[in-house]
Amino acid sequence: SSKLTQDPAVSVALGQTVRITCQGDSLRNYYVSWYQQKPGQAPVLVIYGKNNRPPGIPDRFSGSSSGNTASLTISGAQAEDEGDYYCYSRDSSGDHPFGGGTKLTVL
Amino acid sequence: QLQLHESGPGLVKPSETLSLTCLVSGGSISNTIYYWAWLRQPPGKGLEWLGHIYFGGRTFYNSALKSRLTISVDTSKNQFSLNLNSVTAADTAMYFCARHKSLARENWFDPWGQGAQVTVSS
Repeated sequence: SSKLTQDPAVSVALGQTVRITCQGDSLRNYYVSWYQQKPGQAPVLVIYGKNNRPPGIPDRFSGSSSGNTASLTISGAQAEDEGDYYCYSRDSSGDHPFGGGTKLTVL
Repeated sequence: QLQLHESGPGLVKPSETLSLTCLVSGGSISNTIYYWAWLRQPPGKGLEWLGHIYFGGRTFYNSALKSRLTISVDTSKNQFSLNLNSVTAADTAMYFCARHKSLARENWFDPWGQGAQVTVSS
């Protein structure tokens, strides 16, 4: 089982705000990074560090963290945001686990 | 723009060795601030980190696979490779290579290759 826990599925109405969460003890010491994956494609980094977006990632994507829980927020979700979202964080044992993934549906 | 491209056999027989190569273009694999990683995703399942390597050769492996896994780097060809021996059907997956940044509290993988599908079957 994953050391990082995500809800399997989340849905959001078009244009509304959605939060995807990731829980794990390692998040108290390490920042999480978030990846978007669409069917048949490689994952794409959308958030890293405290709250950084790589070039080309829309500013509707943001990240936050408190205690053992990290969140990815999409403010004003678009149809193209549908996909699977994975969190990742290394831990102090040297492991590099991913969360189980959250399937986002935009209604 | 940095790009990574995986290559290797798409079909491997059980008990044999799975070998893949990741060619890095648009940047040097000898960049001192990055590692180079292998990850995989079984059909319909989530992502799994396999291991990563520094250009100087230092490796880090997933403890569950460490006894079967070897990652190596060839700086002259700007590529790194994965060998996974004694494979079973459970090793059937899409295999990705990616650049890995590991700095204090920040760790991430970007960019990723497009992936190489490997099926283990006789």
